[in-house]
Amino acid sequence: QQPVQSPQAVILREGEDAVINCSSSKALYSVHWYRQKHGEAPIFLMILLKGGEQKGHDKISASFNEKKQQSSLYLTASQLSYSGTYFCGTEAGSNYKLTFGKGTLLTVNP
Amino acid sequence: GAGVSQSPSNKVTEKGKDVELRCDPISGHTALYWYRQSLGQGLEFLIYFQGNSAPDKSGLPSDRFSAERTGGSVSTLTIQRTQQEDSAVYLCASSFVGGMNTGELFFGEGSRLTVL
Repeated sequence: QQPVQSPQAVILREGEDAVINCSSSKALYSVHWYRQKHGEAPIFLMILLKGGEQKGHDKISASFNEKKQQSSLYLTASQLSYSGTYFCGTEAGSNYKLTFGKGTLLTVNP
Repeated sequence: GAGVSQSPSNKVTEKGKDVELRCDPISGHTALYWYRQSLGQGLEFLIYFQGNSAPDKSGLPSDRFSAERTGGSVSTLTIQRTQQEDSAVYLCASSFVGGMNTGELFFGEGSRLTVL
């Protein structure tokens, strides 16, 4: 079942922060985050495993609340290069099947 | 190159024709995925291979769609009797499976299919 992402789109000015949410109706084993720029392949950002862990990558971090079956991606002090569509992918059980949400379009303006 | 390679990058076909899309994964990656990306629909899971077998074909939209993987490497997605609603970008991804969860997926650039 497809995870639900919110918001569908967000517009920021350079330096502002954003949060993208991902929720599932199923118990989750892992959550992935990817970013796709227009006309390009999606690029991996990070994986979070069940256990409530949080990861960071430069000024992009994420949390995973397995009890709520939710994950959030935090982008701080956004840069122009952060623009793109962000997808969360969820894995329900150790079955190697990754199901993606519809994406969140992030636009960072100067 | 060392990345996932897909061909053709663009395919325009007439309704009713068959098409084959090819994916060459990263060497050593045992898992291979096909996704379909339509405007506003995110990445729609089609099928997953572990080696040459497909444990999960649940995402294939109809029996017009089939896929195979040979030698634990190259995969072909075949769409028979194409329909206009098949128009989309078909993305292939590969992954090294070394643990209990799905690893990082490496995506190809995709094959854009247009059915007239």
